[in-house]
Amino acid sequence: QKEVEQNSGPLSVPEGAIASLNCTYSDRGSQSFFWYRQYSGKSPELIMSIYSNGDKEDGRFTAQLNKASQYVSLLIRDSQPSDSATYLCAVTGDYKLSFGAGTTVTVRA
Amino acid sequence: DVKVTQSSRYLVKRTGEKVFLECVQDMDHENMFWYRQDPGLGLRLIYFSYDVKMKEKGDIPEGYSVSREKKERFSLILESASTNQTSMYLCASSGGGGGDFGPGTRLLVL
Repeated sequence: QKEVEQNSGPLSVPEGAIASLNCTYSDRGSQSFFWYRQYSGKSPELIMSIYSNGDKEDGRFTAQLNKASQYVSLLIRDSQPSDSATYLCAVTGDYKLSFGAGTTVTVRA
Repeated sequence: DVKVTQSSRYLVKRTGEKVFLECVQDMDHENMFWYRQDPGLGLRLIYFSYDVKMKEKGDIPEGYSVSREKKERFSLILESASTNQTSMYLCASSGGGGGDFGPGTRLLVL
């Protein structure tokens, strides 16, 4: 079983819609949770961090964490063409930073 | 902002060569990581380090080694390069939160 799993995608959403990305992790001792965005040909960039159960909002992005279900999600509201990218879920535990395979999102104009 | 730099953007090496990839960060971060990224396989952790001279194997350490003699520098070594090590190599550093990535080194082994 992979440590971090994401819905494989690709995900295509119309402009202005909500994009919903999901991630599960296997290590119950995981402590910190992150979402990265990676544009084609570029390095991943950190867009959201979440450390405790519940929701965290930052602009059009909302991260949700449920440690009991070992589940992290990212919602992108009012999706824009510039949101078209691969989104990577990452989890830390014991200094190790592990990533899911990523979900590619395409926002249709 | 954290600045993470990698020694080369593109590198071409021959099978059997010893290859050094250098990563330097300027924010005094304790943790540093080396990943490789291949289409369809995502980011796979090769090695990481949480302190000077400390190193831990990641998920795919075979064929690689690392060195961290100074806090700001984390080197990845391919002892004897093979064609299946052709990949994008990404370095990241972290102070305990999410990691910040360097620009990557695209390595081609012929």
